[in-house]
Amino acid sequence: ELKVEQNPLFLSMQEGKNYTIYCNYSTTSDRLYWYRQDPGKSLESLFVLLSNGAVKQEGRLMASLDTKARLSTLHITAAVHDLSATYFCAVEVGFNKFYFGSGTKLNVKP
Amino acid sequence: DAGVIQSPRHEVTEMGQEVTLRCKPISGHDYLFWYRQTMMRGLELLIYFNNNVPIDDSGMPEDRFSAKMPNASFSTLKIQPSEPRDSAVYFCASRQGGAVSYEQYFGPGTRLTVT
Repeated sequence: ELKVEQNPLFLSMQEGKNYTIYCNYSTTSDRLYWYRQDPGKSLESLFVLLSNGAVKQEGRLMASLDTKARLSTLHITAAVHDLSATYFCAVEVGFNKFYFGSGTKLNVKP
Repeated sequence: DAGVIQSPRHEVTEMGQEVTLRCKPISGHDYLFWYRQTMMRGLELLIYFNNNVPIDDSGMPEDRFSAKMPNASFSTLKIQPSEPRDSAVYFCASRQGGAVSYEQYFGPGTRLTVT
């Protein structure tokens, strides 16, 4: 059975600090996605990583993909309170079969 | 475009009743997905359609669940009879075909409570 493991599951950090969320998966996949979910809201697409070595950045968030290691990272630089949310990674196996991680709940404290 | 539209946004029903959730995908999108989100099991893909045809329903938990897509702008997810363990948030998402864009766009979700 495919496993998508995120860690940490909970992350409390101070504003201005840096941190990384990790997403490991157990099968071959060339496409990985990161989403943000605010409490009681839907999922918002952050990044689509389509190939090995892909790196994408948007504001204080940067995502990377290493398909050989089956690992993706979401790096947060100089966190601000507005980044508080739950972040999910999702692996696409084949086409249209999506498997989501458990999510990382991020709380950025002022 | 208004994005993916789901209705109702909240549904409270009693065990044994039939529940129908509705979804309107983004116009021009070829793929439609139904997901369920619970604390225990996280986000699970239930079924997806391509050009209105169900392609993979291996995630549908039981025969009590059924989904249809009678046309390109409408899909339903039905639970009959409903049980308390079906309580969850159900999301619909859509996606363009080809390599134009790999992104999925999620609707606001329907929060279902079965008492």
